Amino acid sequence: GAGVSQSPSNKVTEKGKDVELRCDPISGHTALYWYRQRLGQGLEFLIYFQGNSAPDKSGLPSDRFSAERTGESVSTLTIQRTQQEDSAVYLCASSLGVNNEQFFGPGTRLTVL
Amino acid sequence: AQSVTQLDSQVPVFEEAPVELRCNYSSSVSVYLFWYVQYPNQGLQLLLKYLSGSTLVKGINGFEAEFNKSQTSFHLRKPSVHISDTAEYFCAGSISGTYKYIFGTGTRLKVLA
Repeated sequence: GAGVSQSPSNKVTEKGKDVELRCDPISGHTALYWYRQRLGQGLEFLIYFQGNSAPDKSGLPSDRFSAERTGESVSTLTIQRTQQEDSAVYLCASSLGVNNEQFFGPGTRLTVL
Repeated sequence: AQSVTQLDSQVPVFEEAPVELRCNYSSSVSVYLFWYVQYPNQGLQLLLKYLSGSTLVKGINGFEAEFNKSQTSFHLRKPSVHISDTAEYFCAGSISGTYKYIFGTGTRLKVLA
């Protein structure tokens, strides 16, 4: 596709359930990033992929959060045993490489009841 | 620690008036700086970026920003705003040689008729 796509656009789940968020980066972009945007706040870096490996997972807030990337393409962010404080918009971005412009997807709005 | 500060959380301005959104960064090394715009329920779109060279950077939609190393600022300006400029604006910095963007907390620009 022409841009970064994310699915679902909205997800409502119950506390304690697991959720998977998907990101399709721009074709050919080797770098992929996940961010979290809480209501009224800036973007919080979660994790970065270069190819299929994640050199930096330092932004993941807890061990309930994990992410993987396959085929240097699609990435999935998984949140296990969701909590209400996980409610946020999760944004994905991709870029050709380090220090290249990051292109952002529209985000997935996660609401944990 | 590296940080990006946006001093104003909200800026109301009348249509056709000029506007300046402030951004300051902290860094002891050269930086790359960006301004992104986020329209309601959409992802982030790059307005402009400073990597090197001319300190006055022109972007899309009539916006421009000036990199001021002595004041560690990268303020965004537009001489005449439109209703359609109503959005959230994020300043971000990336330390050259790294992949991480550090985002400010955002400034909500509200253009009034």
